[in-house]
Amino acid sequence: QVQLVESGGGVVQPGRSLRLSCAASGFTFSAYGMHWVRQTPGKGLEWVSFTSYDGSINYHADSVKGRFTISRDNSKNTLYLQLNSLRADDTAMYYCAKTTAAGAIDYWGQGTLVTVSS
Amino acid sequence: QAVVIQEPSLTVSPGGTVTLTCGSSTGGVTSGHYPYWFQQRPGQAPRTLIYDTDNKHSWTPARFSGSLLGGKAALTLSGAQPEDEADYYCLLLYRGGWVFGGGTKLTVL
Repeated sequence: QVQLVESGGGVVQPGRSLRLSCAASGFTFSAYGMHWVRQTPGKGLEWVSFTSYDGSINYHADSVKGRFTISRDNSKNTLYLQLNSLRADDTAMYYCAKTTAAGAIDYWGQGTLVTVSS
Repeated sequence: QAVVIQEPSLTVSPGGTVTLTCGSSTGGVTSGHYPYWFQQRPGQAPRTLIYDTDNKHSWTPARFSGSLLGGKAALTLSGAQPEDEADYYCLLLYRGGWVFGGGTKLTVL
């Protein structure tokens, strides 16, 4: 069965960096696009980033452009999100989500919590 | 940046029908926005219910349906169950990327 397991979250000071990982199993990872979505505690969802099946096409939300970078290692079945220049308003639960072959979001991971605080 | 607009909260009686809507600050919502609907129960990750306006995944209960209604995307729940009490989010695709609505808190009471 499809499994997406995020890791790498934690408490980090403003201005520092963090790398999140999303380990995929139960499907052919290299065939599908992937998203990162975040959710501020008690608030709504915010789309963060998308990468195509081979990593050649990437999009980022304006709120993270220039600070966050999505990437993937298909040999390791793992999706990444590099978070640089972190700010307090980046504090959120970060979810990875898989797409279908047609590009529709289907499965979600359980999330990893990032807290930016001094 | 576009703003996606949802009702903050709605209430439905058990067994009743309710329609949640999703509008766009840039104009009418069309199939070209590839509307999604997600359900999120307290303490859980989101779950995709509807994609591309009206398509269901294998796990989507038959009582949920998606459509376009009066320039908005719509999620209709027919025959509400207690377990349908949750937050519901729509997602639209724009030229610059995807934008979520603020979510609708649905109470089954």
